[in-house]
Amino acid sequence: DQQVKQNSPSLSVQEGRISILNCDYTNSMFDYFLWYKKYPAEGPTFLISISSIKDKNEDGRFTVFLNKSAKHLSLHIVPSQPGDSAVYFCAARRAGNQFYFGTGTSLTVIP
Amino acid sequence: DAGITQSPRHKVTETGTPVTLRCHQTENHRYMYWYRQDPGHGLRLIHYSYGVKDTDKGEVSDGYSVSRSKTEDFLLTLESATSSQTSVYFCAISAGSGTDYEQYFGPGTRLTVT
Repeated sequence: DQQVKQNSPSLSVQEGRISILNCDYTNSMFDYFLWYKKYPAEGPTFLISISSIKDKNEDGRFTVFLNKSAKHLSLHIVPSQPGDSAVYFCAARRAGNQFYFGTGTSLTVIP
Repeated sequence: DAGITQSPRHKVTETGTPVTLRCHQTENHRYMYWYRQDPGHGLRLIHYSYGVKDTDKGEVSDGYSVSRSKTEDFLLTLESATSSQTSVYFCAISAGSGTDYEQYFGPGTRLTVT
């Protein structure tokens, strides 16, 4: 049973506009959430994270929002750039440092 | 870049043969993980380790075993490879302390079982 879900397999956005990637989870015991970016033929790389005690974390062009009551988080990229084109995975941590990943969203930023 | 390597990077093997993948880190991180990535499934945890000789199962551990005899090395063994184990395998490491939960991933091993 998928505990972390990314329901949009793909997303296309014009360069300069906002990209919003969504993620839902089912386990209320998750205490930390992370976003990773993955290019083809490479391992995922860490992008940004948020603790369950916060509702927003910002790092440059990237902002992650957490809505615990809805069990939903989102990643905002503003402004989107062609180099942001990649697959984005959200992940959730539970006690014992086990992580559960979503299925990924492929973002294409159109120049 | 975190010092994490995987070997081999590519392997083709026959059904029924044993296969061992190696993950090596130079960061002295406590936690090490093995994931597989398949279309439509994202990354799924196979096994992980929280110290030398300390390992535990993940979501998809059947048919896999692991060993960690040194902090820097984490081995994944497919005891008798099957076609369903054709996948891309990623190793990851994490300090796992305080609020530093981010994982650093290796470049991946593409395994094909024929």
